[in-house]
Amino acid sequence: NAGVTQTPKFQVLKTGQSMTLQCAQDMNHNSMYWYRQDPGMGLRLIYYSASEGTTDKGEVPNGYNVSRLNKREFSLRLESAAPSQTSVYFCASRTPDRVITDTQYFGPGTRLTVL
Amino acid sequence: LAKTTQPISMDSYEGQEVNITCSHNNIATNDYITWYQQFPSQGPRFIIQGYKTKVTNEVASLFIPADRKSSTLSLPRVSLSDTAVYYCLVGDPIYNQGGKLIFGQGTELSVKP
Repeated sequence: NAGVTQTPKFQVLKTGQSMTLQCAQDMNHNSMYWYRQDPGMGLRLIYYSASEGTTDKGEVPNGYNVSRLNKREFSLRLESAAPSQTSVYFCASRTPDRVITDTQYFGPGTRLTVL
Repeated sequence: LAKTTQPISMDSYEGQEVNITCSHNNIATNDYITWYQQFPSQGPRFIIQGYKTKVTNEVASLFIPADRKSSTLSLPRVSLSDTAVYYCLVGDPIYNQGGKLIFGQGTELSVKP
């Protein structure tokens, strides 16, 4: 049981390049999330997916797109990277709804630098 | 969504009890309160969750007054390894079907020898 996995762990891009961050979970969770964390700051929600086939914007969605490929996988795409998108990106999944203990499980993060 | 307010930073010494308070004046009836811990270069991890009164597990205690407008995370006898950022979240796990979970700024706890 790997939990939440993210690839790649590190990435350097040039301004204007595109890339996709991959996230997968093997816990059969319905909900998945993408956050970004800038140095010395808290986490900000980019997009989330309540279930397979649905996605919704979070606090800072501009410049990003997401795809909920299936129940396990939730990808984040940067179409034209900008230096302001330099950050650590965390993917998370959440325990099934309608249970009392409701927690998110986070992946190890992807450290992205845009030059 | 209920907004949360926490102290930005706290200092403590090894062996002391640390209490971190979170304000959530607009908490809704169905909202639960959840605390996460984050070490540098790692994703946050769940510490404790509660709805009212007191909850205790092997790591921490969570105190929630009757009006639920605030909550206090209590870490007994902290060690250097408890140095981390602590986040308070408020949300509805039952009816909020996979909805938004917004992190606040967190409290950076520094434990000194």
